[in-house]
Amino acid sequence: GQSLEQPSEVTAVEGAIVQINCTYQTSGFYGLSWYQQHDGGAPTFLSYNALDGLEETGRFSSFLSRSDSYGYLLLQELQMKDSASYFCAVRDRSNAGNMLTFGGGTRLMVKP
Amino acid sequence: DAGVIQSPRHEVTEMGQEVTLRCKPISGHDYLFWYRQTMMRGLELLIYFNNNVPIDDSGMPEDRFSAKMPNASFSTLKIQPSEPRDSAVYFCASSRDGGLHGYTFGSGTRLTVV
Repeated sequence: GQSLEQPSEVTAVEGAIVQINCTYQTSGFYGLSWYQQHDGGAPTFLSYNALDGLEETGRFSSFLSRSDSYGYLLLQELQMKDSASYFCAVRDRSNAGNMLTFGGGTRLMVKP
Repeated sequence: DAGVIQSPRHEVTEMGQEVTLRCKPISGHDYLFWYRQTMMRGLELLIYFNNNVPIDDSGMPEDRFSAKMPNASFSTLKIQPSEPRDSAVYFCASSRDGGLHGYTFGSGTRLTVV
């Protein structure tokens, strides 16, 4: 089976940088995704990493180290609207990589 | 594209009643997923379909839950009889490649069983 660990809660101030870590255990790893979910909303796709390294998309970046079974989401120039829950999710060889298993989520609170 | 459309947005029902949740995936997406989200258990995959065929239903809690996808543009999740512990937000999601380029989630159905 799969297991993912991420902190339950992170607090940061507006304008700062925050890193949300995710460690995973799985067999036949394909890739790691990140999703954002605002309270009362639906998860929305942020990024997908299949290879080692950093992928940047605007203020958000996602990093993967396959050898360490570790990834993180980096949010820069934090804004109040970034307050949300962030989920990491793995694709692996179960069901030929056609499904995602989600972590428990990290609740990010951005303070003024 | 209107995205993934779920109905109803909210459902309150009495224990023992039948509940049917509906989902219209994005046109052209071959994969459809039903997830349940609760504070205690997070996002759990219940079942997923590929080209209208159920592929993995190992997450379906018990026989009270059933899901169908009669065509590429419609799926239902049915709970009969419903119980208070079924109270959760149920999300439908679709994708064109099983997650490589991300899932698109619907707005969810918040189910309360009293």
